[in-house]
Amino acid sequence: DTGVSQNPRHKITKRGQNVTFRCDPISEHNRLYWYRQTLGQGPEFLTYFQNEAQLEKSRLLSDRFSAERPKGSFSTLEIQRTEQGDSAMYLCASSLGAAMNTEAFFGQGTRLTVV
Amino acid sequence: KQEVTQIPAALSVPEGENLVLNCSFTDSAIYNLQWFRQDPGKGLTSLLLIQSSQREQTSGRLNASLDKSSGRSTLYIAASQPGDSATYLCAVADRGSTLGRLYFGRGTQLTVWP
Repeated sequence: DTGVSQNPRHKITKRGQNVTFRCDPISEHNRLYWYRQTLGQGPEFLTYFQNEAQLEKSRLLSDRFSAERPKGSFSTLEIQRTEQGDSAMYLCASSLGAAMNTEAFFGQGTRLTVV
Repeated sequence: KQEVTQIPAALSVPEGENLVLNCSFTDSAIYNLQWFRQDPGKGLTSLLLIQSSQREQTSGRLNASLDKSSGRSTLYIAASQPGDSATYLCAVADRGSTLGRLYFGRGTQLTVWP
């Protein structure tokens, strides 16, 4: 499968615990995005990587959230001290090229439930 | 800030009908517009990408049009099938953002019954 891969698909955690999600973009895609989607809403932008550099973070990304993309390949999104409001679908997308008009490809998402 | 609106929020139709889903956006300075399909609990599948210089794109039974000046796009689904049941999301890549991030609508939840 050469699409965007996200793991795990589902995560249930207790409030206060830390969780980490992984995204493997399409090979050679230099741009990687994280989005968050809550029930009944469209996805909202969280953060963006161009190669290994994190170039923008949304105000939605509190200091409990951190994202990395070492070596410009896979990316991880960590949430520390999870809260019930963090329950959502976390989506990763990748695209190729320097131009901003290229197609974005999304993974299957990680569904986080904080209990 | 770019805002994307999709109408209707939900649609339920019998199999075989031709459908039109609507998307509007507030800032016409966009790179492109994408239509996605999302099945319950799943990720997004890209259906069609229309560049800002294009007027429409077609893929099988799907046709998407773009009127950038009026800030509107429509997704036309011909001869709908129960397998088309899903949420359809519209998203624009805003020129105000230099990063290619997408702004999404809330989607249209489509149910096609046999």
